Amino acid sequence: QVQLVQSGGDLVKPGGSLRISCAASGFVFGDYYMSWIRQAPGKGLEWVSFISTSSTYTNYADSVKGRFTISRDNAKNSLYLQMDSLRVEDTAVYYCARPCGGNCDYFTHWGQGTLVTVSS
Amino acid sequence: EIVLTQSPATLSVSPGERATLSCRASQSVSGYLVWYQQKPGQAPRLLISDASNRATGVPARFSVSGSGTDFTLTISSLEPEDFAVYYCQQRSAWPPVYTFGQGTKLEIK
Repeated sequence: QVQLVQSGGDLVKPGGSLRISCAASGFVFGDYYMSWIRQAPGKGLEWVSFISTSSTYTNYADSVKGRFTISRDNAKNSLYLQMDSLRVEDTAVYYCARPCGGNCDYFTHWGQGTLVTVSS
Repeated sequence: EIVLTQSPATLSVSPGERATLSCRASQSVSGYLVWYQQKPGQAPRLLISDASNRATGVPARFSVSGSGTDFTLTISSLEPEDFAVYYCQQRSAWPPVYTFGQGTKLEIK
């Protein structure tokens, strides 16, 4: 069955960096666009970033553009989010998510979430 | 960029009653407008993508309607496990930008 298993969370100081990962199994990872979505404590869902199947195309929410970098390694069935210049407002649970089809509009599978806390 | 506005923010309904949740888009949605359910401490779960596509395991009491800018999720007869937060979501064509509504919390009255 489809599984998205995310790395553990961490506490980072403002201005610091962190890379989180998502290991996929149970499907042909390289056939699917992937995204990161986050949820600040007690708040709603915010899409963060998208990457195409061969990494040719990426896109970011304005709130993270220039600070976050999405990447993938299809040989390792893994998705990554490099987060630099972290701010207190980046504190959130980060989810990796897979769409219904390769280039589908919505997400059928989600990771378990990674808590990123940015605090001094 | 399309903005999705959900109403109400909180809906208090008794078990067995009907719940109607609204999602309004700032401009017409050309692709899918879908709904997720999220319970505390869990990842969101896809509920329904259109009138004929409920996700696996989603009971028939969940239904959707609407098009263009106004969409509705209806739960016909609430069960205890339905009390959760519900989000609508759509995607722009290209480059992909996925937009979520701010959520409706469905609570027990």
